[in-house]
Amino acid sequence: EVHLVESGGGLVKPGGSLRLSCAASGFTFSNAWMNWVRQAPGKGLEWVGRIESKTNGGTTDHAAPVKGRFTIARDDSKNTLYLQMNSLKTEDTAVYYCTTQSGYALDYWGQGALVTVSS
Amino acid sequence: EIVLTQSPGTLSLSPGERATLSCRASQSVSSSYLAWYQQKPGQAPRLLIYDASTRATGIPDRFSGSGSGTDFTLTISRLEPEDFAVYYCQQYGTSPLYTFGQGTKLEIK
Repeated sequence: EVHLVESGGGLVKPGGSLRLSCAASGFTFSNAWMNWVRQAPGKGLEWVGRIESKTNGGTTDHAAPVKGRFTIARDDSKNTLYLQMNSLKTEDTAVYYCTTQSGYALDYWGQGALVTVSS
Repeated sequence: EIVLTQSPGTLSLSPGERATLSCRASQSVSSSYLAWYQQKPGQAPRLLIYDASTRATGIPDRFSGSGSGTDFTLTISRLEPEDFAVYYCQQYGTSPLYTFGQGTKLEIK
């Protein structure tokens, strides 16, 4: 059974940094293309970024609102996905989900980690 | 960037009724790139439909997807109490890779 567990969320001041982790199990993580999707309180879903498998080059792609501030990385030896978030803004406040990708859909989702950016 | 517009914003129906949710794209979308998700309060989204019409693993057959080009539909043939939730359509593109509709809230009448 696929299991994705995010951790590392919390309260941070504007301009601060935070790193989210997503521990994966139940599938071959090294072969998986992984994504982060966020949801601001009471709002819809917003894609944050993706990292391809290392066999596909490990290429990352980030959404325009976070490009240059957020970085997606992976450690296949630990079956863990990361989201390094720097220069955080109040509008980055959201629940952050890690997801697997199958074809062009996001098939498995973690339970989410809440990030609150506030002074 | 392709924009997805879902309608209606809120749909009020009773258990046993049929629900029809619409997702309209600002440009033509390949059917392979269109998916639907269900989200219940306090839970993560769940993949329902991919490739516009293929049910994901474990999804009951009362859920069906259809459409092509710019108009896509999610139909729930006979509503069960557990189906009342928010539904999102999603398309895969280039930049950004994924965009979502704003959601349709399906509520009990």
